[in-house]
Amino acid sequence: GAVVSQHPSRVICKSGTSVKIECRSLDFQATTMFWYRQFPKQSLMLMATSNEGSKATYEQGVEKDKFLINHASLTLSTLTVTSAHPEDSSFYICSARVNSGGAMGTGETQYFGPGTRLLVL
Amino acid sequence: QKEVEQDPGPLSVPEGAIVSLNCTYSNSAFQYFMWYRQYSRKGPELLMYTYSSGNKEDGRFTAQVDKSSKYISLFIRDSQPSDSATYLCASVTGGFKTIFGAGTRLFVKA
Repeated sequence: GAVVSQHPSRVICKSGTSVKIECRSLDFQATTMFWYRQFPKQSLMLMATSNEGSKATYEQGVEKDKFLINHASLTLSTLTVTSAHPEDSSFYICSARVNSGGAMGTGETQYFGPGTRLLVL
Repeated sequence: QKEVEQDPGPLSVPEGAIVSLNCTYSNSAFQYFMWYRQYSRKGPELLMYTYSSGNKEDGRFTAQVDKSSKYISLFIRDSQPSDSATYLCASVTGGFKTIFGAGTRLFVKA
């Protein structure tokens, strides 16, 4: 199956610093990647949709200047949490949509990375 | 009303039991349905997907969709302690946006 990796798996940083999280599709090309945030015992909350070569589309309530997303290639998207604060502490998960040529079947299947746990002190 | 409703549980069952996990959805435009399994502190793992009413079976797992009642289910036969995880249902809108349920925490006791 399709494999998505994330790096780092865990990061602790001081308040006010910026943190970059990488998401890679290892054995397939992903024109679309998604970034989610998940708080303890809660479901996934979509933050933004990242399309290769274009600007990300952010969900309502997500600050695009705080959560910078770059999708520079078909296998890599990055999320940078700028000026992180303790309330940004969360589990950040990326996913990649398999590019199956637009077929409604497997084309809408997302494969998730293992997640990055961010703790801001 | 959330677009995808799922009882968060927790659901505790003995090993070997049949587990029934359920979700309801409100948007009749949803065409495509998935079940994900998420172990603690890990990313979700796709278990099954389906885009039509009826049953789809894969090993011990059966996904069931009833579009007339907007009800989706996942059945796990012969449950094992290793099945203990959070199970997320999800639906895809016509605009290809995925909406997740809250997830049901399952505990299978040995």
